[in-house]
Amino acid sequence: GNSVTQMEGPVTLSEEAFLTINCTYTATGYPSLFWYVQYPGEGLQLLLKATKADDKGSNKGFEATYRKETTSFHLEKGSVQVSDSAVYFCALSQNSGGSNYKLTFGKGTLLTVNP
Amino acid sequence: SQTIHQWPATLVQPVGSPLSLECTVEGTSNPNLYWYRQAAGRGLQLLFYSVGIGQISSEVPQNLSASRPQDRQFILSSKKLLLSDSGFYLCAWETGTGGYNEQFFGPGTRLTVL
Repeated sequence: GNSVTQMEGPVTLSEEAFLTINCTYTATGYPSLFWYVQYPGEGLQLLLKATKADDKGSNKGFEATYRKETTSFHLEKGSVQVSDSAVYFCALSQNSGGSNYKLTFGKGTLLTVNP
Repeated sequence: SQTIHQWPATLVQPVGSPLSLECTVEGTSNPNLYWYRQAAGRGLQLLFYSVGIGQISSEVPQNLSASRPQDRQFILSSKKLLLSDSGFYLCAWETGTGGYNEQFFGPGTRLTVL
């Protein structure tokens, strides 16, 4: 079955540091890939997505490139801010029959950015 | 625009008591609906999904059930809660119109079973 593996946290960085959160996946066919972010006490929000190989998703200074050859979708940001402190989830979406697409999530990585 | 509501926001219930969590979506028709549970340190687990009224698919055997009495209403229930049912419950919807679809999440319900 499908699975998503992302680096264990927690990750603690100083403001303006470079961020990488690794994500690799296992899936048949060609899934779509996502990064979701969960701020404290809130639900999940889509951060960025990529639907085919070599696509780069980007939003709010975050980027991730769909690498089919390494089955990876690593999240990066050049300069993190305190407001980026949150839990980040890597996920893949694949058709499970008809119009239904299931999301498979990684376990999440807690990021804390200190001033 | 579309919005998704969940209530209650927090809930503390004794073991063995019943449960009913509600999720409603506005601004869209015939969405696919999902219930997830987020337990501490375990990421998100898909519990149920529904592609239409009265159509429920269960992902994992458990103490919970789901129902969809109306197009934009999704209910998560239990007759007798267990300690292991504690967690953060998230409802999500997607358009279900074909192709990959982004899922939009509600604010969640934090359930504590004592």
